[in-house]
Amino acid sequence: DQQVKQNSPSLSVQEGRISILNCDYTNSMFDYFLWYKKYPAEGPTFLISISSIKDKNEDGRFTVFLNKSAKHLSLHIVPSQPGDSAVYFCAASEGTGAGSYQLTFGKGTKLSVIP
Amino acid sequence: ETGVTQTPRHLVMGMTNKKSLKCEQHLGHNAMYWYKQSAKKPLELMFVYNFKEQTENNSVPSRFSPECPNSSHLFLHLHTLQPEDSALYLCASSRWAGNDQPQHFGDGTRLSIL
Repeated sequence: DQQVKQNSPSLSVQEGRISILNCDYTNSMFDYFLWYKKYPAEGPTFLISISSIKDKNEDGRFTVFLNKSAKHLSLHIVPSQPGDSAVYFCAASEGTGAGSYQLTFGKGTKLSVIP
Repeated sequence: ETGVTQTPRHLVMGMTNKKSLKCEQHLGHNAMYWYKQSAKKPLELMFVYNFKEQTENNSVPSRFSPECPNSSHLFLHLHTLQPEDSALYLCASSRWAGNDQPQHFGDGTRLSIL
């Protein structure tokens, strides 16, 4: 049973427009959420994170929104650039405390930004 | 350059072979992880080491044997693997194994079992 779901396997967006990547989760114990970006033949790269005590976190062109009641988070990229074309993974973890850290990943959404 | 280096990048082995995957991190981190990514599946955590101590073993078969001699190096020893073990194996590190510590990944080893 998948606890983190990215229901859109792919997304195409015009350069300069907003990209919105969505992620849903089922485990109400998750309290920390991360987005990773992956280029082909490379490992995932950490992008941005959000704690469950917040509903928004912004870093430059990237903003993550968290809706705890809906168990939903989204990543907004604005303006989108061709270099943003990659696979984006949503991940979540429970507050199990120091000494243990488990990330549960979604299957990823492939973003294509069209020049 | 991610700061986490994995070797080899590609490995083809028979089911009766013994091989090892190597991971080295240059970030001064104290936690290291092994993940498996099979086709069409999310990344799955296999092992976690925090300050050289193994803290997680997610029901991984004994044909996978991790080793963490120090905080900078992590190995995954492989023996008598099965075809379904063919996957991308990713190593990651973080400052420590705790919540809210982003993990930094290597580029992975693509493993093919004949």
